[in-house]
Amino acid sequence: EAGVAQSPRYKIIEKRQSVAFWCNPISGHATLYWYQQILGQGPKLLIQFQNNGVVDDSQLPKDRFSAERLKGVDSTLKIQPAKLEDSAVYLCASSLPRDSSSYNEQFFGPGTRLTVL
Amino acid sequence: GESVGLHLPTLSVQEGDNSIINCAYSNSASDYFIWYKQESGKGPQFIIDIRSNMDKRQGQRVTVLLNKTVKHLSLQIAATQPGDSAVYFCAETSTGRRALTFGSGTRLQVQP
Repeated sequence: EAGVAQSPRYKIIEKRQSVAFWCNPISGHATLYWYQQILGQGPKLLIQFQNNGVVDDSQLPKDRFSAERLKGVDSTLKIQPAKLEDSAVYLCASSLPRDSSSYNEQFFGPGTRLTVL
Repeated sequence: GESVGLHLPTLSVQEGDNSIINCAYSNSASDYFIWYKQESGKGPQFIIDIRSNMDKRQGQRVTVLLNKTVKHLSLQIAATQPGDSAVYFCAETSTGRRALTFGSGTRLQVQP
């Protein structure tokens, strides 16, 4: 089974520039997550989609971050403009939909390492 | 606020020894806990999970223990191997929530 795909793997930009990350989840996984992982810390959820709808974006800095999943499959995460503190690994994960009585394992992609200079 | 933390940032063990990685959580509403392994340059990989109605669950060479009284979670790895060297994260969630809250991680170093 193919895993979660992400691109690019690495990106270096200067502050105030824009950047976009792409994620292709596992086929059939309706739920997609974007996490930010700062060096030495655990991943922090930015946004969660169920199909093409947003379930949770409470921790997304909406003044500069945006994400979309227009057709309910691939997703893009954008930062505009980037700040130094945005340097991190951006992880995409996907899972089958969770119902009220179960939890479905999240499968993570390899991440995109962003460096903001 | 809600938090999931770890007691030790780095754990060094000899190959063949057993490893124990600890985690404390503060959200008493948490009812599902997961341990992830993350190798350099890779995303987190699921190891084992446990629901709050259990206090122990075993997998292949791994055991997770849950103590809800003191909000403590541990991961035991038997006969630790060099391939077990990685950063280990605990994560928690609760019925009604959908997001995982991750701890800050423990680096496990296995000495040959």
